[in-house]
Amino acid sequence: SAVISQKPSRDICQRGTSLTIQCQVDSQVTMMFWYRQQPGQSLTLIATANQGSEATYESGFVIDKFPISRPNLTFSTLTVSNMSPEDSSIYLCSVHTTDRFPYEQYFGPGTRLTVT
Amino acid sequence: DAKTTQPPSMDCAEGRAANLPCNHSTISGNEYVYWYRQIHSQGPQYIIHGLKNNETNEMASLIITEDRKSSTLILPHATLRDTAVYYCIVRVQYNNNDMRFGAGTRLTVKP
Repeated sequence: SAVISQKPSRDICQRGTSLTIQCQVDSQVTMMFWYRQQPGQSLTLIATANQGSEATYESGFVIDKFPISRPNLTFSTLTVSNMSPEDSSIYLCSVHTTDRFPYEQYFGPGTRLTVT
Repeated sequence: DAKTTQPPSMDCAEGRAANLPCNHSTISGNEYVYWYRQIHSQGPQYIIHGLKNNETNEMASLIITEDRKSSTLILPHATLRDTAVYYCIVRVQYNNNDMRFGAGTRLTVKP
């Protein structure tokens, strides 16, 4: 399995500010994903980030609000910009492994964001 | 990817088997059934997956019906630590796209 760490694990931020979440993987992976999980809800994909190319955003998510960097095969960042209380969620980094069984998708522990 | 339907919640007594159903009547021939769970405040955890044969690992068993339109995840001896939301997902195994999560089943294991 892939071991994924995220920083910070949680934060409380003020409206209008930005927060950058870091995701580190213990091995090189091609596909990285960022999800949002609003309180009491299931996971929703924000974007797919491949190294060396622009992130692909899902409907309802835009680059200006959620810029993503993917500088190498083990690291990515997601920034939540100009935050509002509606951005209070858990943000999860995930990777997809296709080079070893069971070719699964693994998730980081998440970053719990509260916007006041 | 095919859509899945799961009951929103289930209870199970500690030490008993927990049987979590999933309907996926529109599954296509090359789609696998995956199960993940999410314990409160943690990231989802892979449990098991299968194509058409029953599968078993150290965590659970997966029973897929012959027509592949439904499946059951079995936790043979549920413990309090198995309390979580369980997600059934259908997708092509080597598809590089992400996992799409539904609402899942909230399993509560009671002492």
